[in-house]
Amino acid sequence: DAKTTQPPSMDCAEGRAANLPCNHSTISGNEYVYWYRQIHSQGPQYIIHGLKNNETNEMASLIITEDRKSSTLILPHATLRDTAVYYCIVRVAISQNFVFGPGTRLSVLP
Amino acid sequence: DTEVTQTPKHLVMGMTNKKSLKCEQHMGHRAMYWYKQKAKKPPELMFVYSYEKLSINESVPSRFSPECPNSSLLNLHLHALQPEDSALYLCASSQEAGEAPLHFGNGTRLTVT
Repeated sequence: DAKTTQPPSMDCAEGRAANLPCNHSTISGNEYVYWYRQIHSQGPQYIIHGLKNNETNEMASLIITEDRKSSTLILPHATLRDTAVYYCIVRVAISQNFVFGPGTRLSVLP
Repeated sequence: DTEVTQTPKHLVMGMTNKKSLKCEQHMGHRAMYWYKQKAKKPPELMFVYSYEKLSINESVPSRFSPECPNSSLLNLHLHALQPEDSALYLCASSQEAGEAPLHFGNGTRLTVT
């Protein structure tokens, strides 16, 4: 599975959009991009995933660049409850191993 | 609330004790996973079960012994652990092995004294 690089931490003002970047320059054609988050004292929570098209669900939007070497998770209106560690994971669809990198610690500030 | 239930939430055990962690899901998922998470680190995969058979063991020491008695239950038996085994142990499930998304429980926080 390709390696990902994320900033270790970010701040975002409450009510503003949080844009979390992820670099995956060695991604191959059959690898998906997944995003999970882990709120303190809880297990990781699935947010969204995509292959090459942009995706949106009730939680977030995922923007994948045309060359697929990077992506951005967008939380459109961040709340204090979105404070968490956000993990970007790249993996082949049939791989049984979700490898978590260090992630980005997002702090949403009042 | 999570659909994957882990018990106990907290466990303190001595190095000579034998204990078990339990995980249960009723989503009809056929794959279940154990992850270990040290403080301020990402989760690391330990074991994967697919259709109640062990399919991945990430070179985990034998003092950790997984068991999948049926498709809804996953146990992790612990014996002769070391203090460095203290961590958050997370269980997850998915429809099939390797199929996203993984649904995680909130973990068992284990302290080995």
